[in-house]
Amino acid sequence: AQSVTQLGSHVSVSEGALVLLRCNYSSSVPPYLFWYVQYPNQGLQLLLKYTSAATLVKGINGFEAEFKKSETSFHLTKPSAHMSDAAEYFCAVNSGRGRRALTFGSGTRLQVQP
Amino acid sequence: NAGVTQTPKFQVLKTGQSMTLQCAQDMNHNSMYWYRQDPGMGLRLIYYSASEGTTDKGEVPNGYNVSRLNKREFSLRLESAAPSQTSVYFCASSEMGDRVDGYTFGSGTRLTVV
Repeated sequence: AQSVTQLGSHVSVSEGALVLLRCNYSSSVPPYLFWYVQYPNQGLQLLLKYTSAATLVKGINGFEAEFKKSETSFHLTKPSAHMSDAAEYFCAVNSGRGRRALTFGSGTRLQVQP
Repeated sequence: NAGVTQTPKFQVLKTGQSMTLQCAQDMNHNSMYWYRQDPGMGLRLIYYSASEGTTDKGEVPNGYNVSRLNKREFSLRLESAAPSQTSVYFCASSEMGDRVDGYTFGSGTRLTVV
């Protein structure tokens, strides 16, 4: 079985501050992990993905995530928040071969204060 | 480059009415998916089609049917709509093989059942 837990349904940061969005996964086999972003009234857009290569993954818009097997975590970070980062972020897991679809977390809404 | 196109974008149905949500992709992807998005619950998989000619149930298939019409098109049908099916519906596609790629999402269909 595979599942994803996103801690914190809402996160608020000041512009220029560090962004940290938490994701923990459960998977019986080495997982593929993803972060998606959803801007208001739009579909989801892929930010970055982990597929068992480097454990530190860099994505678009300055975001990155680190895969930590010992902690079963894949937290998303950005050193300095921008107003345009305000959106909802989803972590997703796929346990690879034989599992045909992503399982998504419940999402974290990021608010950026001026 | 259209990607994944969903129609309609908005729909209001009365309880008991039926309708079909359309989805088409132009990226020659093998796999297609239908998710529903509800506040605080992330995205939940309704049905997916790993390849042309195959469909499988996801996490929440009750009350829905799907048709993989050809490689490009994957439709979702509500035979007798219920208020519990009020949601935002997303179609997605991916190129699946031994590696797992991210999905490309459509912009969604916002459905209200009254």
